[in-house]
Parts: sequence; structure tokens; C-alpha cells
Amino acid sequence: AQSVSQHNHHVILSEAASLELGCNYSYGGTVNLFWYVQYPGQHLQLLLKYFSGDPLVKGIKGFEAEFIKSKFSFNLRKPSVQWSDTAEYFCAVMSSGNTGKLIFGQGTTLQVKP
Amino acid sequence: EAGVAQSPRYKIIEKRQSVAFWCNPISGHATLYWYQQILGQGPKLLIQFQNNGVVDDSQLPKDRFSAERLKGVDSTLKIQPAKLEDSAVYLCASTRTGELFFGEGSRLTVL
Repeated sequence: AQSVSQHNHHVILSEAASLELGCNYSYGGTVNLFWYVQYPGQHLQLLLKYFSGDPLVKGIKGFEAEFIKSKFSFNLRKPSVQWSDTAEYFCAVMSSGNTGKLIFGQGTTLQVKP
Repeated sequence: EAGVAQSPRYKIIEKRQSVAFWCNPISGHATLYWYQQILGQGPKLLIQFQNNGVVDDSQLPKDRFSAERLKGVDSTLKIQPAKLEDSAVYLCASTRTGELFFGEGSRLTVL
């Protein structure tokens, strides 16, 4: 069965620090990969997605993620975080084409100190 | 373009009562999902529809949860009878291209 594992449950950083959130998935076939963000009191929003092509994908607000197929990983990065990045981040994987089941990781809470 | 609409936003009920949530997906989105998000956890898929047919309901507790999508547009999710552990946010999402768009969610508290 598909599963998604996020390594960090709670991350605390100071502004301008670099961010990397780990995500690994288990599925042997072709996958689409996503990072979603949930700001306090708001709904889930898409940060970035990987369907095919360049494994380094850039998303909104300066975020990027790298798909490493051999490691079944899709880590999220940002060179310099801001206080406004405080939110919960979810990695998700979709199999079986572009309308398949989307499975989420358990989420990582990021707290950025001003 | 209007987003995914859900109602009610908040609902408080006592255990053993019933509750229903409504979702109106983005126009033209054939695939609709219901997720359950318990506090501190990632969203868990309950059921997936393609038009008005069920694609996956393997994680739907069918003894108490039911969902339908008549006419392939709006959907309702019902819980009857509710248990304490059903307290969660119920998220509806829709897609046409593989990118899911989520509604604001319906927060259920079972006392």
C-alpha cells in the first residue's frame, strides 16, 4: 500500500534560516508528488507539484523541491524562511494517473521566530 | 473561478446523533474527494468519486459513514451515529488535472 512519511513533526527556525523538510514515499510505480501548505485558520493550498520532467521543481513563495527517484524522496527546501512561512506542511503522493488517490503524510509544523 | 464550497463550516453534536456535510466542487471537475483530518494528523482519504461513481471507499467506515454524489456534481457526507472519535475537519476536494483544490473544510465536534 502507498504511504508517505515526513521525518520532522515540528521544526522551529529563526527568520533567514534555511529550511529542508524531508518526505519519503513508498510506491513502486509512477507517481505525482505534491507539497501542500496550511496556514493557520486557512485551507490547504498547493505549494508545488511534480508530474514529470525536471526533478527540481519550483513553487510559490520561493519554495522548491527535488524528486530523487532512487531514494523515493521529495524534500522541500527554502533558502531563507520568513515569519509568514509559519504553517503546517504536507507532502502527498498520487498514483494511478492524474485522478488517482492522493495520500498525505502526517504533516510538519513549521514555526519561524521573528 | 469559484473554489470548492463546503457547509456547514462548524458543527457541534452529541455522540449518537447524525450530521451531514455538503460539498460543491469546482465546475467541470469530475473527480471529488472527501478527506478526514484529525487534529495533528494529515488528511485521510475517506472516499473518491469519479462523476457519480465511487472509485475508492476502502477507508470509509461504512457502518456509520455514507456519501453520495448524485448527478455527478454536489456531494454529501453523512455520519450516523457519530462517535467521539469522529471529531475532525472534513475536507472536500476536486480535480480535473490531478491538482486537487480543497474547500475550507467542515469542523465537527462530537461531545
